[in-house]
Amino acid sequence: DVKVTQSSRYLVKRTGEKVFLECVQDMDHENMFWYRQDPGLGLRLIYFSYDVKMKEKGDIPEGYSVSREKKERFSLILESASTNQTSMYLCASNPLDTFTQYFGPGTRLTVL
Amino acid sequence: QKEVEQDPGPLSVPEGAIVSLNCTYSNSAFQYFMWYRQYSRKGPELLMYTYSSGNKEDGRFTAQVDKSSKYISLFIRDSQPSDSATYLCAMSARTGNQFYFGTGTSLTVIP
Repeated sequence: DVKVTQSSRYLVKRTGEKVFLECVQDMDHENMFWYRQDPGLGLRLIYFSYDVKMKEKGDIPEGYSVSREKKERFSLILESASTNQTSMYLCASNPLDTFTQYFGPGTRLTVL
Repeated sequence: QKEVEQDPGPLSVPEGAIVSLNCTYSNSAFQYFMWYRQYSRKGPELLMYTYSSGNKEDGRFTAQVDKSSKYISLFIRDSQPSDSATYLCAMSARTGNQFYFGTGTSLTVIP
């Protein structure tokens, strides 16, 4: 079974803190994605990566950065957390040239 | 205008009912259409996918795509309480490309 794991299920941070969210997949997938999910807005793509050290901006990259040093690991970084970044963050991966995305369980981040 | 529009519901039906979930979209380049199911406090999981227009059936689930109307549907026959979840439609212009999601429809099947 494909497994996508995320470092934390719940996280509480303070405004201005630097936040790291980590995602690991065990199926050698080329593509990895970070989304945030908010009520009424659905899933919105923050960043995605097609390969190690490659990244592409999604629809809402402002306030976020990403890192992909190894194929199996894709990190989302909030440089200076703000309250409007309180959300559910979902990581996903899929093999190259397929459309079946596999999602992690999500991290519910609260920024106070 | 959003790329993908989906009625958020909530939808509440009795067990055994036929459920119809729908999405509309604006980008005529979309060719791959997916339905994901998301249980509470879990990540979405792929339920069904179709390519271009037509129907696809998998057990109690049927996915329909009408590209001329830019409209997709998911039908659930003989709905069960275990079908209670949020259903998200998703679309893509080509494989491996950026995916566009609807906001999700919350479904509750009452025993």
